[in-house]
Amino acid sequence: EAGVVQSPRYKIIEKKQPVAFWCNPISGHNTLYWYRQNLGQGPELLIRYENEEAVDDSQLPKDRFSAERLKGVDSTLKIQPAELGDSAVYLCASSYDGAGWADTQYFGPGTRLTVL
Amino acid sequence: DAKTTQPNSMESNEEEPVHLPCNHSTISGTDYIHWYRQLPSQGPEYVIHGLTSNVNNRMASLAIAEDRKSSTLILHRATLRDAAVYYCILRDNFNKFYFGSGTKLNVKP
Repeated sequence: EAGVVQSPRYKIIEKKQPVAFWCNPISGHNTLYWYRQNLGQGPELLIRYENEEAVDDSQLPKDRFSAERLKGVDSTLKIQPAELGDSAVYLCASSYDGAGWADTQYFGPGTRLTVL
Repeated sequence: DAKTTQPNSMESNEEEPVHLPCNHSTISGTDYIHWYRQLPSQGPEYVIHGLTSNVNNRMASLAIAEDRKSSTLILHRATLRDAAVYYCILRDNFNKFYFGSGTKLNVKP
C-alpha cells in the first residue's frame, strides 16, 4: 500500500514569492491534515479536512495561507507571499476516519521550505 | 500550549530496554495517549496508543499511570534503528493531536 505522497520534498524561495505544496493521501482515507514543524519542535496542526470540508482551520494564518482539497482526495497548501518565518517542514497526514477516537494518522515525508 | 512534557533527550545502549517518560497532568477523561516517533528527514510514524489500560504491540509497550497523568513508552530491546525523536501526544475528542517537543533517543552500539 502506498503511503502519503508529498511534493516537492525541498523548496527554496525568496521572501515575498508564492509557494505551493501538494499532498496525495492514502487511498480511502477521508481525513487529511496539514502540519507545520519548526526546527526542534513537534508538528502543529494548520488545517484538517474531512472529505472536501475544512473542519478545523483555526491555526491557519489566513492572511497568507490557503488550502484546498478538491474532490476530497489530494490537497494543496499555498503560501502567498512567503515570509522568512515560514521556513519549516510542512507535513501532510491522512487517516481513515478522523472522527474515530483512536484513529491513527499516517504522515508523509514532508516538504522542507527555506525562505531566503 | 503543549499538553505533554518529555525530557529533551535520553541515551540507551543497544539491546537494553528503554523507558521514555511523559507527563500529561492536564489530561481529560476522553483524551487518548498516542506515541509517534520521527526518524531524520521523515514524517512521524505511529508507535502505540492507549486510553487507560497498559498496551503492548510488536514495537513497544505503553504503561499508563492509574491517574493517567503520566505514561511511559517501553522499548524492550533498543536497536540502532530505534534512534529517533519520540513524541507523546494527547488526542482530544475533536481528533486534534497535541504534540510536545519530543525526546531525542540516542542508541549507543
